[in-house]
Amino acid sequence: KQEVTQIPAALSVPEGENLVLNCSFTDSAIYNLQWFRQDPGKGLTSLLLIQSSQREQTSGRLNASLDKSSGRSTLYIAASQPGDSATYLCAVYAGGFKTIFGAGTRLFVKA
Amino acid sequence: DTGVSQDPRHKITKRGQNVTFRCDPISEHNRLYWYRQTLGQGPEFLTYFQNEAQLEKSRLLSDRFSAERPKGSFSTLEIQRTEQGDSAMYLCASSSIGTGDTQYFGPGTRLTVL
Repeated sequence: KQEVTQIPAALSVPEGENLVLNCSFTDSAIYNLQWFRQDPGKGLTSLLLIQSSQREQTSGRLNASLDKSSGRSTLYIAASQPGDSATYLCAVYAGGFKTIFGAGTRLFVKA
Repeated sequence: DTGVSQDPRHKITKRGQNVTFRCDPISEHNRLYWYRQTLGQGPEFLTYFQNEAQLEKSRLLSDRFSAERPKGSFSTLEIQRTEQGDSAMYLCASSSIGTGDTQYFGPGTRLTVL
């Protein structure tokens, strides 16, 4: 059974700091991994999707990496801003049409 | 591309009542997903449609839950005989192979069962 874990559960950093969010999954047989952002009380916004054949994806200040063999993905946020404050979720699609989410990392960027 | 929309945004109901939610996916997306999210948790998969066919349904979903996607366009999720434990955010997402199966989410319907 696929399980997804995100560490840390919460993170508070000063503005301008570079940071890394971690996501681990138990079954390496995945098709893709997606990172989302969720603001309080809102739906999810897709940030990056990494196919199983890829090692990383970049969008602006965000870089996501995938290491299937070790069951890990990281989301790197460069030069963090107060507007980056949100919950970040990773999700694994492992076939069978199911997507499994982690519980998320709540990020607070202090001005 | 107007995004995924959901209606209503909020629903308050009494225990035992039936409720129905609607999701309108991005028009060219043939894949549609329903999720349930409770406070402090990630979304939990409920069911998946490819066009009008319901191809996957979570074993966690009781018989009180049913979903349809007639004509492969909008979808509805119905909960019969609601219970207080059904209180949650219900999220809908859509995708297509053409977008690498990136899932795009709607704003969600928040259900409160009194």
